[in-house]
Amino acid sequence: AAGVIQSPRHLIKEKRETATLKCYPIPRHDTVYWYQQGPGQDPQFLISFYEKMQSDKGSIPDRFSAQQFSDYHSELNMSSLELGDSALYFCASRRLGGSRETQYFGPGTRLLVL
Amino acid sequence: QKEVEQNSGPLSVPEGAIASLNCTYSDRGSQSFFWYRQYSGKSPELIMSIYSNGDKEDGRFTAQLNKASQYVSLLIRDSQPSDSATYLCAVKEEYGNKLVFGAGTILRVKS
Repeated sequence: AAGVIQSPRHLIKEKRETATLKCYPIPRHDTVYWYQQGPGQDPQFLISFYEKMQSDKGSIPDRFSAQQFSDYHSELNMSSLELGDSALYFCASRRLGGSRETQYFGPGTRLLVL
Repeated sequence: QKEVEQNSGPLSVPEGAIASLNCTYSDRGSQSFFWYRQYSGKSPELIMSIYSNGDKEDGRFTAQLNKASQYVSLLIRDSQPSDSATYLCAVKEEYGNKLVFGAGTILRVKS
């Protein structure tokens, strides 16, 4: 079965640079979630989109922005990168009306800021 | 205080034993509860979901939910070394779409 696709899988950036992470949800899934997981931490919710509109917002820094496109893929744009942004970034997708609220996670993008 | 609490472990059990993982949550209105398994450096993988009080069984896994006590647990029967991972309890709060995760419990199954 098709899963959530994330790209790139690994990314190395320097401080103050920008990064764009991409997420392609499972086909027919209409909701996308972004999570950040630091070393030894649990995933922290950043932001979610349903039908291309922001549906919920968590602890996403103002330096970050995200959007969902007409094909339901989503991009997380990160600017003025800081060392503390080094983390695993997961995208999860869900189909409204599907098996009750279940979110399926992608493989993640490992971001290292030097 | 975290909204979802788990004992960080590590919880060590011998191969073939039952592993019991526990989780408490603070949002009394929560209706959806999930257990994810996460291997180091990998993404969380859904193990079980539960929405109603009582037990839900799926193979070697049993999830238990007690909304009055705001408590959810995961039992793993016949534990295998491949079950060694971090188990994340996740709760969808009453309002909103996001999942709130516990810090995770590290499980080690010794052969």
